[in-house]
Amino acid sequence: NAGVMQNPRHLVRRRGQEARLRCSPMKGHSHVYWYRQLPEEGLKFMVYLQKENIIDESGMPKERFSAEFPKEGPSILRIQQVVRGDSAAYFCASSPPGTVPSEQYFGPGTRLTVT
Amino acid sequence: QKEVEQNSGPLSVPEGAIASLNCTYSDRGSQSFFWYRQYSGKSPELIMSIYSNGDKEDGRFTAQLNKASQYVSLLIRDSQPSDSATYLCAVKRDAGNMLTFGGGTRLMVKP
Repeated sequence: NAGVMQNPRHLVRRRGQEARLRCSPMKGHSHVYWYRQLPEEGLKFMVYLQKENIIDESGMPKERFSAEFPKEGPSILRIQQVVRGDSAAYFCASSPPGTVPSEQYFGPGTRLTVT
Repeated sequence: QKEVEQNSGPLSVPEGAIASLNCTYSDRGSQSFFWYRQYSGKSPELIMSIYSNGDKEDGRFTAQLNKASQYVSLLIRDSQPSDSATYLCAVKRDAGNMLTFGGGTRLMVKP
């Protein structure tokens, strides 16, 4: 049973370019979360999505960042006009459907470097 | 005050000893609590979840929750060098699904 998959694992972008990070949840999971881990900092929640819906984007910067989870295909976190401060590890997690407290399982992450 | 606080460490214990990791949280509405292990350069790996007061054991790991005192702890018995990692405490509020993480405690188990 494949776990959460993320690609690319490493991404290098020049300032001003766009970064697209992809996440496929675990089989049977319909909830997707994106977290960011800046160097020497803790994990911070960014956004929570279900298929075709953004449920909570309270942790997402208001500008340049967007996320989607289409009916078909992976969830995508998009960062437009990247700046050096966007360099970080971006982790996707998924959890199964349901209302009971559920555990989140993390993918391997995408390490974004902005030069 | 941070929402979830952990001593950053490093916590150094000899091989075979018990490692005790602590976490406090500020939001009394928190209902679900998780411990993740993160090796350097890797992603967080879920070790334990705990939802009610008391102890929960899984192999060499025991999670303890005290909602009245707003703390969660993780005990690792018979610590091994392979347990050397950063341990992240995560808390979920009653409303919403987001996890709030502490800064992590770095554990070093010395052979």
